[in-house]
Amino acid sequence: AQTVTQSQPEMSVQEAETVTLSCTYDTSENNYYLFWYKQPPSRQMILVIRQEAYKQQNATENRFSVNFQKAAKSFSLKISDSQLGDTAMYFCALNNNDMRFGAGTRLTVKP
Amino acid sequence: EAGVAQSPRYKIIEKRQSVAFWCNPISGHATLYWYQQILGQGPKLLIQFQNNGVVDDSQLPKDRFSAERLKGVDSTLKIQPAKLEDSAVYLCASSLDFRSDTGELFFGEGSRLTVL
Repeated sequence: AQTVTQSQPEMSVQEAETVTLSCTYDTSENNYYLFWYKQPPSRQMILVIRQEAYKQQNATENRFSVNFQKAAKSFSLKISDSQLGDTAMYFCALNNNDMRFGAGTRLTVKP
Repeated sequence: EAGVAQSPRYKIIEKRQSVAFWCNPISGHATLYWYQQILGQGPKLLIQFQNNGVVDDSQLPKDRFSAERLKGVDSTLKIQPAKLEDSAVYLCASSLDFRSDTGELFFGEGSRLTVL
């Protein structure tokens, strides 16, 4: 069975600072994809960043980067230069033929 | 490119009534997913279709929930009879083809159900 665990229900960060959201997962497969999705209040889920498990290089998208540790089954998201618009629920997800989500981390960026 | 369309956006019903949600995926997407997201939780997969066939419905409460994608395009999720614990947002998502794509899902805005 595939499981995704996010151990931080809520986090906050000051505008312009850096924050890291944690995620661990469990799967018996070797090939899979990992994702971070953002869900702003009352708005739809959008993709933040994607990591392919067979790639060792950590993915980066502008201010967003991941620390992918395959052996440890860890996939954290770092947000640099946090902006007020980053306030949202963030979900870690694992996809190997079907997408499973963690419980989410509510991030608040404070001015 | 049009996104994933869902309707209705909001629905309020009393327990034991029935409700249906509709989803139209992105054109050309073969894989369609229905998720249930209870307030404060992550989305839980209810059912996954590949064209008009079911790939995974292991977490669908089949005594009250049903879903179909008869022509392999749009889909309907039905709940009958509804229970209080069915209050949630029902998310529809699609992807090109789960067997060969990048794994990214594209989500609709969701249908929020309140059961009184």
